[in-house]
Amino acid sequence: RKEVEQDPGPFNVPEGATVAFNCTYSNSASQSFFWYRQDCRKEPKLLMSVYSSGNEDGRFTAQLNRASQYISLLIRDSKLSDSATYLCVVSPYDSSASKIIFGSGTRLSIRP
Amino acid sequence: DAGVTQSPTHLIKTRGQQVTLRCSPKSGHDTVSWYQQALGQGPQFIFQYYEEEERQRGNFPDRFSGHQFPNYSSELNVNALLLGDSALYLCASSLEIDRGRMRAGYTFGSGTRLTVV
Repeated sequence: RKEVEQDPGPFNVPEGATVAFNCTYSNSASQSFFWYRQDCRKEPKLLMSVYSSGNEDGRFTAQLNRASQYISLLIRDSKLSDSATYLCVVSPYDSSASKIIFGSGTRLSIRP
Repeated sequence: DAGVTQSPTHLIKTRGQQVTLRCSPKSGHDTVSWYQQALGQGPQFIFQYYEEEERQRGNFPDRFSGHQFPNYSSELNVNALLLGDSALYLCASSLEIDRGRMRAGYTFGSGTRLTVV
């Protein structure tokens, strides 16, 4: 089983729609969770951290469910510029190292 | 404030050759991680360097090796290249003191696209 799993998509939704992605992780000791955005042929960039209480940043809302070991990302009122691949990232964090683990990404395409 | 710089941006090598990729971390960062991203996949962790030592390693063969210099810059070396090594190689820098905090603290370079023919 992969450490971090995502639905690869692609999700093809009209502009203005609401879209949600889920991501599951296998290591229950995971400490930190993030969503990254990656545009075609570009490097990943941090979109937002995911907190236990859930957090919102404008049109983006992230949720964490530790009991079920999944995180989610909700995008409201989607824009054409939201078209990208969204990477779920988990940090198991232990006392010795801090590697972050990426999911394979979910492709989102917003159509006019 | 300079971000992460990687060189070269593109590279074409022949199977069996050796390659060295370079990374200069973001100013003030002291930890460098290397990732391999194949087409359509998420980045896969190769290894991480801190204080000039490899601190953690992913599931990659010994053909992949690295180095970190006193100025925190880093190199990734791949020997005996295979066609399957063709990928985008990403360098990410971070600050050790941020480890464990509720933030990613990772800054990625734009990557080196390696093509093995």
